[in-house]
Amino acid sequence: EVQLVQSGGEVKKPGESLKISCQASGYNFAAYWIGWVRQMPGKGLEWMGIIYPGDSDTKYSPSFQGQVAISVDKSISTAYLQWNSLEASDTAIYYCARRVTEYNFGYPYYFMDVWGKGTTVTVS
Amino acid sequence: SYELTQPPSVSVSPGQTATITCSADRLENKNACWYQQKPGQSPVLVIYKNIKRPSGIPARFSGSSSGNTATLTISGTQAMDEADYYCQAWDSSTAVFGGGTKLTVL
Repeated sequence: EVQLVQSGGEVKKPGESLKISCQASGYNFAAYWIGWVRQMPGKGLEWMGIIYPGDSDTKYSPSFQGQVAISVDKSISTAYLQWNSLEASDTAIYYCARRVTEYNFGYPYYFMDVWGKGTTVTVS
Repeated sequence: SYELTQPPSVSVSPGQTATITCSADRLENKNACWYQQKPGQSPVLVIYKNIKRPSGIPARFSGSSSGNTATLTISGTQAMDEADYYCQAWDSSTAVFGGGTKLTVL
């Protein structure tokens, strides 16, 4: 069974650093991009960025570029989302999700088929 | 930046058809996905590549796309379908979500 298991909730103070994790199982971790999605309290989904564990190629949403860092450790099939200095506005649930690539007449299309249960980050 | 526009809310009576739209420039060419999110739960993929349904998703969920609009249709809506629904598309290397639509089954 394909699973993404996220680390537990965190309560931090403004200015502190944080690294949350997303451990994959049940598939070839290196072969699928992993994305991160933010959901602020009572709000919608926001796409933050994505990483390819095979070569650590990373792409960020312009809204999150420079605000967070996405990384992986292939040896333990784990992706990370990191902040150097948290702000109260970082309070949210953070989801990781696997991105699948399929092809239609040679053109790729994507979808996020498996999601973690989310990590709640509270900054106060 | 690329933006997807959804109605904030849609209401439907049990057994009727619910229609949720998602609009953006040239959306038909961007292979939209739809996700269902119930309170306190993670999103679940219900439609991908505009019209495809993942295994395990009931056949009452269907998708379509034409021009600038993608549509999620739920036929014979059930109380369990009450949730937030998000469309998503990829623009170049980045993904974008719509603002979400709260589906209420009255």
